[in-house]
Amino acid sequence: EPEVTQTPSHQVTQMGQEVILRCVPISNHLYFYWYRQILGQKVEFLVSFYNNEISEKSEIFDDQFSVERPDGSNFTLKIRSTKLEDSAMYFCASSGRADGELFFGEGSRLTVL
Amino acid sequence: AQSVTQLDSHVSVSEGTPVLLRCNYSSSYSPSLFWYVQHPNKGLQLLLKYTSAATLVKGINGFEAEFKKSETSFHLTKPSAHMSDAAEYFCVVSEGFSGGYNKLIFGAGTRLAVHP
Repeated sequence: EPEVTQTPSHQVTQMGQEVILRCVPISNHLYFYWYRQILGQKVEFLVSFYNNEISEKSEIFDDQFSVERPDGSNFTLKIRSTKLEDSAMYFCASSGRADGELFFGEGSRLTVL
Repeated sequence: AQSVTQLDSHVSVSEGTPVLLRCNYSSSYSPSLFWYVQHPNKGLQLLLKYTSAATLVKGINGFEAEFKKSETSFHLTKPSAHMSDAAEYFCVVSEGFSGGYNKLIFGAGTRLAVHP
């Protein structure tokens, strides 16, 4: 069964460092998303991406964040200069249609020290 | 703005007994509602969805949910719990375009424990 895969499963970094979280969406999907869950809080929408551009982003997704689809298979989330409050589980999701079901990956846990 | 409230952070049941996970929603128009499940060290999996068709929605693994507009509720039920049902369950509303998933708003989650 096709699935969304995320790497790394866990990353520990120092405050101020750049982090790239990688996602391989399901191969024929065109719509891509990042969500995050800070420990003890709700899962929150970060950004949606279609046709090589951001279609919507939340207030959380400030200039420190960027997304990219560098090739035909990967979808990345970059945090330019990490803060302590960026520590969270980051979920990638993909969908075959704008109104289609979102398929989520297992998440990447980011710990910022 | 849309929101969901999951009324119980933890629910504990015995194997073979019914499961009820409660969810209330707030929406300014006809919402699209979902239940997702997350097993330990796994991704979020769609259990079922309501998108203004039948109010009683059947999902995977014997779960179902009923959309009640008058009560603004979308409770998740299962007649008989199985040990493998132990997981975190999220009630979700879509803030995207009508009928769409685009932007999902998650509830805080309910952790379901199933005892032998």
